[in-house]
Amino acid sequence: AQTVTQSQPEMSVQEAETVTLSCTYDTSESDYYLFWYKQPPSRQMILVIRQEAYKQQNATENRFSVNFQKAAKSFSLKISDSQLGDAAMYFCAYMTGSARQLTFGSGTQLTVLP
Amino acid sequence: DTEVTQTPKHLVMGMTNKKSLKCEQHMGHRAMYWYKQKAKKPPELMFVYSYEKLSINESVPSRFSPECPNSSLLNLHLHALQPEDSALYLCASSQIRSGSKSTDTQYFGPGTRLTVL
Repeated sequence: AQTVTQSQPEMSVQEAETVTLSCTYDTSESDYYLFWYKQPPSRQMILVIRQEAYKQQNATENRFSVNFQKAAKSFSLKISDSQLGDAAMYFCAYMTGSARQLTFGSGTQLTVLP
Repeated sequence: DTEVTQTPKHLVMGMTNKKSLKCEQHMGHRAMYWYKQKAKKPPELMFVYSYEKLSINESVPSRFSPECPNSSLLNLHLHALQPEDSALYLCASSQIRSGSKSTDTQYFGPGTRLTVL
C-alpha cells in the first residue's frame, strides 16, 4: 500500500523568508503523480502544485517550487518570500496513474510570523 | 475555471433529521468525490462517482447516501446521523484520462461544515 509521510506537524517562518516542507512517500509504482494542497483557516482545499513522476524537471508555480527526488521518494515544497496569506495546513498527496484515489499525508501546519 | 461549489456552507441538524448536501461543477469533469474531514486531519475518501456511476464506496455507513443526478451535480443525503458525524464534508471533481479509468488532478469545493446535535 502506498503511504505518504509528512514528518513536520508544525513549522513557522518569518515573513519574506523561505521555508521548506518535507514529504516522503512509499510506492512500487512507476507511474504516479504528487501534489501539494493548501488548506487555510477557511478550510478550502487549494491545489498549490503538481508533479508527474515521469518528469525530471521540478514543478514551479510562482513562489512555490518542489524538490522531487524520485530515487529517494522525496517531494518537498519550497515557499519563497513567504507571505501572511501562506499560513495554512499543507497536505502532500499521491496518486497512481491507474487509480482514482488520493493518498494524503498527515499535514504540516505552517505559521507565518510578521 | 476550476470552481467547485457546495451548498450549504454550514448545516446544523438533529439526529432524526434528513438533510442533503449539494455539490456542483461546470468544468466538464466526469469524476466526482465526497470526502469527510475532521479538524487537523487529512480528508478521508467516502465515495467516488465515475461517469455518474458509483465506483468506490469506502465502507461508509448507510446513513450517508450519495446520488449523482447528472455529470455536473453530486448530492449527499443524510439521515439519522450521529454526533461523531460532525465534520467538514468536501466535494471534489476531476477529469478522467481518455482511454483509461485513471483520473487527473482533483479540485475541491469550499466544503460544508456539518454539526450533528
